[in-house]
Amino acid sequence: GESVGLHLPTLSVQEGDNSIINCAYSNSASDYFIWYKQESGKGPQFIIDIRSNMDKRQGQRVTVLLNKTVKHLSLQIAATQPGDSAVYFCAETVSGGYNKLIFGAGTRLAVHP
Amino acid sequence: GAVVSQHPSWVICKSGTSVKIECRSLDFQATTMFWYRQFPKQSLMLMATSNEGSKATYEQGVEKDKFLINHASLTLSTLTVTSAHPEDSSFYICSAGAASKGIETQYFGPGTRLLVL
Repeated sequence: GESVGLHLPTLSVQEGDNSIINCAYSNSASDYFIWYKQESGKGPQFIIDIRSNMDKRQGQRVTVLLNKTVKHLSLQIAATQPGDSAVYFCAETVSGGYNKLIFGAGTRLAVHP
Repeated sequence: GAVVSQHPSWVICKSGTSVKIECRSLDFQATTMFWYRQFPKQSLMLMATSNEGSKATYEQGVEKDKFLINHASLTLSTLTVTSAHPEDSSFYICSAGAASKGIETQYFGPGTRLLVL
């Protein structure tokens, strides 16, 4: 079936560096994408989203890039901090109602001092 | 806004017993709620979609008679794991749908960790 996948299962970065987490999706009908952060033992926390009519969206220290041509999504975290250490999931869905989210496998981000 | 709670946060039960998990939207009404299961070091897997006042829609491979879902009000959905077995031990997470800036977004609860002995 169709799924969302990630290129890197783990990512280790130094505090202060920029982090880039990648994600590939396969459902060409998906038009809404979300990045979630999940800390150990907690539920996913919304970070940032993007609709398919955009290719870039910025938040506070985070940027999401969408390349529909190659069906690729990335999350950039600027000046990574120890508090950013968590597992990051991308998710895709088709907008218009509460349609189900398809989650990627997840990437663990480890930030070292 | 858009806060979702779950109760209990963790539960330990004996094999063969049933466990009920509650999911509440605290400051908004949710016509649609979702139930996910997450095993260690794995992603979230959707179990079912719960619509207020109607039967839940289960994903392929999820036993509807084992995982009973009730969405009796716009702020509460419950998941009951019937005759739980050790393989049902997992992290169960719910989400509730709410419109944010014109987009239907899912807001997740903190999760319930179930351990079946």
